[in-house]
Amino acid sequence: TQLLEQSPQFLSIQEGENLTVYCNSSSVFSSLQWYRQEPGEGPVLLVTVVTGGEVKKLKRLTFQFGDARKDSSLHITAAQPGDTGLYLCAGEDSIMKTSYDKVIFGPGTSLSVIP
Amino acid sequence: ETGVTQSPTHLIKTRGQQVTLRCSSQSGHNTVSWYQQALGQGPQFIFQYYREEENGRGNFPPRFSGLQFPNYSSELNVNALELDDSALYLCASSSPGARETQYFGPGTRLLVL
Repeated sequence: TQLLEQSPQFLSIQEGENLTVYCNSSSVFSSLQWYRQEPGEGPVLLVTVVTGGEVKKLKRLTFQFGDARKDSSLHITAAQPGDTGLYLCAGEDSIMKTSYDKVIFGPGTSLSVIP
Repeated sequence: ETGVTQSPTHLIKTRGQQVTLRCSSQSGHNTVSWYQQALGQGPQFIFQYYREEENGRGNFPPRFSGLQFPNYSSELNVNALELDDSALYLCASSSPGARETQYFGPGTRLLVL
């Protein structure tokens, strides 16, 4: 059962445009992470959000964790070709957590920024 | 500081065969997690090793097994390969006190024919 949903699945935009991608769940997460994965590479951690309503900025990327800690968004301002990649959200499931940290990934949003 | 490395980078096997994938964790990291990433999907948790012991397991059958060695490197073994096992296999290491921060290797691309 997929616990994390991401939208849109695919996104193709022109350089300089703004965009927002979403990560949603019916479950509450104790923390949520965003990764970017490029072809042939493993995911690279961009940010971890922990507190409901938290907003974090990383240069042109703005991450927000929902107040109820069930959803998150990633906003990119003035997208550049180097932003191209698969954006994955991953949550630590606070309900299903057992003796280890089980990180659940969403299916990802594939972003293509055209020069 | 050496990052997470995996070998081989690519592998082709046939149904029924067995495969061993290897991972060297980042220096100072004693926890290794393995993930399976099918095409067009996010990574799915297979299992985690902490100090040479399995520390948790996802929804994968027993033919997926692993090991962690004293130097914290790790192996993923898959027996009786099936076509659906074709995927990118990722390992990620993390350090004590920073559980949320996992560093991923580049993965091993496995194709089962």
